[in-house]
Amino acid sequence: SYELTQPPSVSVSPGQTASITCSGDKLGDMFVCWYQQKPGQPPLLVIYQDTKRPSGIPERFSASNSGNIATLTVSGTQAVDEAEYFCQAWDSSTSTGVFGTGTKVTVL
Amino acid sequence: EVQLVESGGGLVQPGGSLRLSCAASGFPFNIYWMGWVRQAPGTGLEWVASIVQAGSNKYYVESVRGRFTISRDNDQNSLYLQMNSLRVDDTAVYYCVRQDPYVSYYAMDVWGRGTTVTVSS
Repeated sequence: SYELTQPPSVSVSPGQTASITCSGDKLGDMFVCWYQQKPGQPPLLVIYQDTKRPSGIPERFSASNSGNIATLTVSGTQAVDEAEYFCQAWDSSTSTGVFGTGTKVTVL
Repeated sequence: EVQLVESGGGLVQPGGSLRLSCAASGFPFNIYWMGWVRQAPGTGLEWVASIVQAGSNKYYVESVRGRFTISRDNDQNSLYLQMNSLRVDDTAVYYCVRQDPYVSYYAMDVWGRGTTVTVSS
């Protein structure tokens, strides 16, 4: 089965940039989404179609996807950005989805 | 307000059955794909199943195929997940999700708050 691998944790100082990677075989051939999940809450879509932000998501969230790696970047990280982040790909040929292993972002 | 509200979770013995429901409101239910995603305690997210707008095509993760059935009632704006032959490793919070095939290429853009399923003897 297809797997997406993320680092378990990332630490960042307030105001600095946090980068979270998501790796999978030929991931660049699929569209990637990113979700933010805070404790006790459902996930929130923050990036879709590799690079696009839904309405209401701050501009400090950006992303890219190429080759085998997708990256979520949070610029000027704020305390409110502390959460777990999951990447997700949708295989249109089989209409199946897969999530990454998740990365806990800590704002120190 | 766009909203998804799940119900039907609970405690069930291994081998038992449970039916989850999801009530949708605030958007034209019949034009979206819908799905279920689960999260076992302290772990990550797992896509479980998705269903197309008319309900004619359904897709499942391998671990539930043959045991779970996703369905929808567009007249009632409702999504369902019939879970049979439940196993201990099916224990999780089950989220109802909306999938947008038009703008966001099947991204899960709306989530319910989840319903908890516990499989234990």
